[in-house]
Amino acid sequence: ETGVTQSPTHLIKTRGQQVTLRCSSQSGHNTVSWYQQALGQGPQFIFQYYREEENGRGNFPPRFSGLQFPNYSSELNVNALELDDSALYLCASRPGVTRSNEQFFGPGTRLTVL
Amino acid sequence: GIQVEQSPPDLILQEGANSTLRCNFSDSVNNLQWFHQNPWGQLINLFYIPSGTKQNGRLSATTVATERYSLLYISSSQTTDSGVYFCAANRDDKIIFGKGTRLHILP
Repeated sequence: ETGVTQSPTHLIKTRGQQVTLRCSSQSGHNTVSWYQQALGQGPQFIFQYYREEENGRGNFPPRFSGLQFPNYSSELNVNALELDDSALYLCASRPGVTRSNEQFFGPGTRLTVL
Repeated sequence: GIQVEQSPPDLILQEGANSTLRCNFSDSVNNLQWFHQNPWGQLINLFYIPSGTKQNGRLSATTVATERYSLLYISSSQTTDSGVYFCAANRDDKIIFGKGTRLHILP
């Protein structure tokens, strides 16, 4: 148990729809990161939030957006879904923004886009 | 940006064998972690090891930051060790994962 939870576990959407994925971080963890893991690949960094502001982003288009709330929960929103968005989405939390903090992952949300 | 490469991509061993997994990174990093991903997708923390050597039971890891590599050792492999092992390096507020080593332990 990492203390990081995600919902839902699985989700099926159709192309063009919008989706919101949720993550609840460990208490006291101010930094949350989101990752996309396609089948057979390593996780790809989407973005990171610290104290409710985005402070790092990978090579993902603006239709991937996020929110972080004061209660250690966060959301990943994806608009205009494409077939290639089908993947396992992982969130990870860590205590602060210091680059050397160990991060802990949730169990993931498996998104299928038809 | 930083590149993280893992080798070998696949490894098949008999139960009881020892194995060494390697992670090379192309630039200096702020930290390095090893994970085991179970069949349900959960990433399980194995080691947080920006430098030095750590041991946890049958597993140990060594990171030589000056030479930009890390090694994960698994001794006396068990079938439950099967799965994908990832290393991840943190630099400039981005965390880069390798493509993983898929380990199959045969009974």
